Amino acid sequence: EAGVVQSPRYKIIEKKQPVAFWCNPISGHNTLYWYRQNLGQGPELLIRYENEEAVDDSQLPKDRFSAERLKGVDSTLKIQPAELGDSAVYLCASSLQGVTEAFFGQGTRLTVV
Amino acid sequence: AQSVAQPEDQVNVAEGNPLTVKCTYSVSGNPYLFWYVQYPNRGLQFLLKYITGDNLVKGSYGFEAEFNKSQTSFHLKKPSALVSDSALYFCAVTRNSGYALNFGKGTSLLVTP
Repeated sequence: EAGVVQSPRYKIIEKKQPVAFWCNPISGHNTLYWYRQNLGQGPELLIRYENEEAVDDSQLPKDRFSAERLKGVDSTLKIQPAELGDSAVYLCASSLQGVTEAFFGQGTRLTVV
Repeated sequence: AQSVAQPEDQVNVAEGNPLTVKCTYSVSGNPYLFWYVQYPNRGLQFLLKYITGDNLVKGSYGFEAEFNKSQTSFHLKKPSALVSDSALYFCAVTRNSGYALNFGKGTSLLVTP
């Protein structure tokens, strides 16, 4: 069974440019999470989806970040415009609805220069 | 709100010796506790979880963790460390199934030959 797939693995952009990350969760997993992991820190939740509904986006900086999961399967996270402080690893995870453990993708390492 | 604390940035242990990686938690109500491992340039891998029941939980790769309600701790243990166990270990907590995990800052485990 394929795990959580994220692309791209690495991205380098100049500040003020837009960037998008894509995630395909494990088949059948209703719940999808986007986390951000800064260097030397644990992952921090950005947004959680139950199917296509964003049920927890309280930590998402909505002035520049947006996310969508239109058909309740794959998801896209966008930053526009990117700032230097956005450099981090962006992790996508998924789980079965009502099940606690989440399974993570390999992440996208974003560098903003 | 829920949180975990990992008091050690790094744990060093010789191969073959027992290892312990510490974690304490804070949560209103009953905690759901997890350990994940992260190898370089990889996503987080689920090791084990405690939801209810036996305080000693066994997980992947010979790891186990002991839930101690009075000390609000959930320390990760392994009787005999391997060099290949060297990685970053994250403790996480949530208060209910389906909710996002709150991660600690991680503990780097170094097992020397």
